[in-house]
Amino acid sequence: DAKTTQPPSMDCAEGRAANLPCNHSTISGNEYVYWYRQIHSQGPQYIIHGLKNNETNEMASLIITEDRKSSTLILPHATLRDTAVYYCIVRAPYNQGGKLIFGQGTELSVKP
Amino acid sequence: DGGITQSPKYLFRKEGQNVTLSCEQNLNHDAMYWYRQDPGQGLRLIYYSQIVNDFQKGDIAEGYSVSREKKESFPLTVTSAQKNPTAFYLCASSIEAGSSYNEQFFGPGTRLTVL
Repeated sequence: DAKTTQPPSMDCAEGRAANLPCNHSTISGNEYVYWYRQIHSQGPQYIIHGLKNNETNEMASLIITEDRKSSTLILPHATLRDTAVYYCIVRAPYNQGGKLIFGQGTELSVKP
Repeated sequence: DGGITQSPKYLFRKEGQNVTLSCEQNLNHDAMYWYRQDPGQGLRLIYYSQIVNDFQKGDIAEGYSVSREKKESFPLTVTSAQKNPTAFYLCASSIEAGSSYNEQFFGPGTRLTVL
């Protein structure tokens, strides 16, 4: 299974962009990169996913490098409610049920 | 409202007792999953089911059992064989396990404490 590496914690000022990096150097060609976040003691929330191209939705943008070995999640205008643990996940192949393999994530603290 | 419900939110049991955690979804999703989360850790997969009457072990299935008799329900039993059952348990579902679009929707979780 492709593994991901994320910094354990990051700080961001409210209203500024939060850029969360993720390394996934062993990703294979058919594996997607997913991002979830988890606010304390709640279930994780889906944010965004991508394969090769950059993606954007109402929550965030996902930038994937051309070699697909790393990606960055961008929260364009972080708010205090964005304080959470952010998980970068490489989705396992179909014959493993497409399961999500969670690492330890990055704890993002948005400060006033 | 569509979603995933888990009950109860907090559960206390004595050591040596089996306990069943409920997970129900009304999203008409094919696939359902059970994860375990320990303090300060990421989620680890216990069991998953892609269709009714079928399920597979995840990474930490020992001491757990599941059933999938109905599409909307995927209960998890924590047996007395599970050595460290105290944890936060999360249930999730997705439209289809093997599809290219596999957003998993998570329930609110059940925090199990074994005394």
